[in-house]
Amino acid sequence: DTGVSQNPRHKITKRGQNVTFRCDPISEHNRLYWYRQTLGQGPEFLTYFQNEAQLEKSRLLSDRFSAERPKGSFSTLEIQRTEQGDSAMYLCASSSLVGSSNTEAFFGQGTRLTVV
Amino acid sequence: AQSVTQLGSHVSVSEGALVLLRCNYSSSVPPYLFWYVQYPNQGLQLLLKYTSAATLVKGINGFEAEFKKSETSFHLTKPSAHMSDAAEYFCAVSDGTGGFKTIFGAGTRLFVKA
Repeated sequence: DTGVSQNPRHKITKRGQNVTFRCDPISEHNRLYWYRQTLGQGPEFLTYFQNEAQLEKSRLLSDRFSAERPKGSFSTLEIQRTEQGDSAMYLCASSSLVGSSNTEAFFGQGTRLTVV
Repeated sequence: AQSVTQLGSHVSVSEGALVLLRCNYSSSVPPYLFWYVQYPNQGLQLLLKYTSAATLVKGINGFEAEFKKSETSFHLTKPSAHMSDAAEYFCAVSDGTGGFKTIFGAGTRLFVKA
């Protein structure tokens, strides 16, 4: 078990460009979450999946944001027409429905996005 | 709705001194409570969690926290601070539904002076 993996770790993009981030959860974890963390703040919930189904989306997830988990394993988060306000750390986490890991979410190292 | 309030955005202690980071929560159901630590440009590492078992929870690196329902608090303590404890600490709450969607506080940055 190598933990939650996120790629890339850092991304610098020009305003108006599209970006896509990938998250590989801990194997066998059914649930996957995306959070956004801006400088000096705690992480804010964006969305979560149970297997391939996206069960909840925060109002923070504007129509420029889309997340997928097509096969119930890895997930992607795409931001279209990036804005400077999108600059943040994007964190992915996963959890299990059963076993000892069903009472916490495990976080990846995050992808830091800078929009210039 | 759930929420978390961390009292003090910055706390400074001397090496060897007691660390006390304060957290109050709001939840309409029995909560699950967590403390995470974050080092610069890193993800979140779980220090400890409360899941309705013992009210005094021991975590990694000598940290512990006590769940006090009457005070709706979950303060984090460590008897003796070490330089390596300097980091950002987040208190978080979950109601166990919504797939363990977690609500985080704004964080407390801990400074440790030599």
